[in-house]
Amino acid sequence: DTEVTQTPKHLVMGMTNKKSLKCEQHMGHRAMYWYKQKAKKPPELMFVYSYEKLSINESVPSRFSPECPNSSLLNLHLHALQPEDSALYLCASSQALGGRENYNEQFFGPGTRLTVL
Amino acid sequence: RKEVEQDPGPFNVPEGATVAFNCTYSNSASQSFFWYRQDCRKEPKLLMSVYSSGNEDGRFTAQLNRASQYISLLIRDSKLSDSATYLCVVSRVYNFNKFYFGSGTKLNVKP
Repeated sequence: DTEVTQTPKHLVMGMTNKKSLKCEQHMGHRAMYWYKQKAKKPPELMFVYSYEKLSINESVPSRFSPECPNSSLLNLHLHALQPEDSALYLCASSQALGGRENYNEQFFGPGTRLTVL
Repeated sequence: RKEVEQDPGPFNVPEGATVAFNCTYSNSASQSFFWYRQDCRKEPKLLMSVYSSGNEDGRFTAQLNRASQYISLLIRDSKLSDSATYLCVVSRVYNFNKFYFGSGTKLNVKP
């Protein structure tokens, strides 16, 4: 079962709100990713977690705060966002980093469509 | 120079046609190669990993040429359901499996 779930599907928030996006996978994957995707553009990497430790932060503003409470869950905490942060936020997972070729295949969740007013 | 370059299309083809997508990558240290498809307002879905020997899955054939830093995807007997954007992706294991996406090629299969 190659399924990554994300909640909520849609989120509308004001610039002063605090909200969280959630991602879950039960495939035993040890690497998880957050991406941001704007319309008609490819996904842009934000964060990579490997074995529940943050491995990459792609110079993402501090108003985005990731958290990996355990190997199955990944959260993205949002605070004081700007309208330009409106986008589709995608979570992905892969078996691990490195190793055999198929370890690197990433499986994406359906995303959270975020609108910041 | 972009890490991964793709023809943005769109490719408009009739049902039953054969269509080929090409992609080039700039970093010779790239190690893993993939084709993803993305439907409008949906997430990318893994179509195929691309191996050095080339690989086939039904109507889909992927090839890799490391010397030319070139990846291709061939779709035979196109179906209406093949209409989507096809993303070429490369990654480098030593760089935390960071995915480098092409800009995507849009395919429209017409009846």
